[in-house]
Amino acid sequence: AQRVTQPEKLLSVFKGAPVELKCNYSYSGSPELFWYVQYSRQRLQLLLRHISRESIKGFTADLNKGETSFHLKKPFAQEEDSAMYYCALIGDYKLSFGAGTTVTVRA
Amino acid sequence: DAGVTQSPTHLIKTRGQQVTLRCSPKSGHDTVSWYQQALGQGPQFIFQYYEEEERQRGNFPDRFSGHQFPNYSSELNVNALLLGDSALYLCASSFQGRRHGYTFGSGTRLTVV
Repeated sequence: AQRVTQPEKLLSVFKGAPVELKCNYSYSGSPELFWYVQYSRQRLQLLLRHISRESIKGFTADLNKGETSFHLKKPFAQEEDSAMYYCALIGDYKLSFGAGTTVTVRA
Repeated sequence: DAGVTQSPTHLIKTRGQQVTLRCSPKSGHDTVSWYQQALGQGPQFIFQYYEEEERQRGNFPDRFSGHQFPNYSSELNVNALLLGDSALYLCASSFQGRRHGYTFGSGTRLTVV
């Protein structure tokens, strides 16, 4: 079985402050991990994937296999980062999502 | 590239009726997955189609069925609609493997009254 847990439902930060969204997973094999973002009234879109180790819009995420975590971080939050963020895992073809974290960046 | 397209965008049905939702995958993609997203929740996996067959299925009753056509497009059918089936239904496409993630459509908002 595969499971993704996002412990924070809501996260509110001030503009310019660091932001970290937590994600923990469970999967017996070797998973592929992703972060998806959904801005207001827009479709779900891929933010980043662990295999590419890239930084998108200033966000980074490191896969920690020992802690089975894939936390998303950004050193300086911007107002346009306000959105719903989903951590997701692919194992056995199926993409499974966490419950999501709503991020609000205040001016 | 039009990406993943879904139709219709909105739908209102009466309890007990049947509904068909449609999805065209992104060009070059051959795998289609369907998700149900209730308000305030993460997308829940319904099933996935590859090579015109259901490859995996989530924890959804048999009232939910699907089909994939030779051109890789797909349909999701829901019979005997319940009020609880009201949700956003998302279609996602990918190419065989999993490493590049899925591309999502905008969804079909189904309201059951």
